[in-house]
Amino acid sequence: GAVVSQHPSWVICKSGTSVKIECRSLDFQATTMFWYRQFPKQSLMLMATSNEGSKATYEQGVEKDKFLINHASLTLSTLTVTSAHPEDSSFYICRVLAGLNEQFFGPGTRLTVL
Amino acid sequence: EDKVVQSPLSLVVHEGDTVTLNCSYEVTNFRSLLWYKQEKKAPTFLFMLTSSGIEKKSGRLSSILDKKELFSILNITATQTGDSAVYLCAVELQGAQKLVFGQGTRLTINP
Repeated sequence: GAVVSQHPSWVICKSGTSVKIECRSLDFQATTMFWYRQFPKQSLMLMATSNEGSKATYEQGVEKDKFLINHASLTLSTLTVTSAHPEDSSFYICRVLAGLNEQFFGPGTRLTVL
Repeated sequence: EDKVVQSPLSLVVHEGDTVTLNCSYEVTNFRSLLWYKQEKKAPTFLFMLTSSGIEKKSGRLSSILDKKELFSILNITATQTGDSAVYLCAVELQGAQKLVFGQGTRLTINP
């Protein structure tokens, strides 16, 4: 069965609203989770690294005030897209480290901003 | 800047053909190279390669890494229509364990 879940799996929202996406590790604890986004017909681009109990590390060009990341527990990281605009429409995927050599992707969240 | 480049970007073949997908990389702190298959949703894991010259095999798929020349190949023999997907190569970096992805190869298998 799935070891990482994401919620919601898809969301449609109006421009200017905020959307929260959750990434949960099931049955294991994860101190590190990564957030990626993927635009249509493009590859995955790392947005930020989320560490439990500390501030996320953002990649160059990703606005930390727009994409708020909270990793408040060892099984949950959330990504909030604030004041979403149509250009934020994308597929958002989390990746979770489960140990030295184990890693899992979540099933992804498709965000459409109208 | 860490970079992963895949080729070809797109490939169309007939069922039964053998295909070879390429991945080259330039990164500062290599830990491993991973191959994924992506259909409609999140990528599914195929292989993780850490050592040069050791072929990993799973059914009709196999992969090998050359750390001296900084590349990897993914082979698929006797292709089937179900192999149609985007194949992603990613390099994992030491320390932060970030993944840097290539652009992907869109493989289409025609019956």
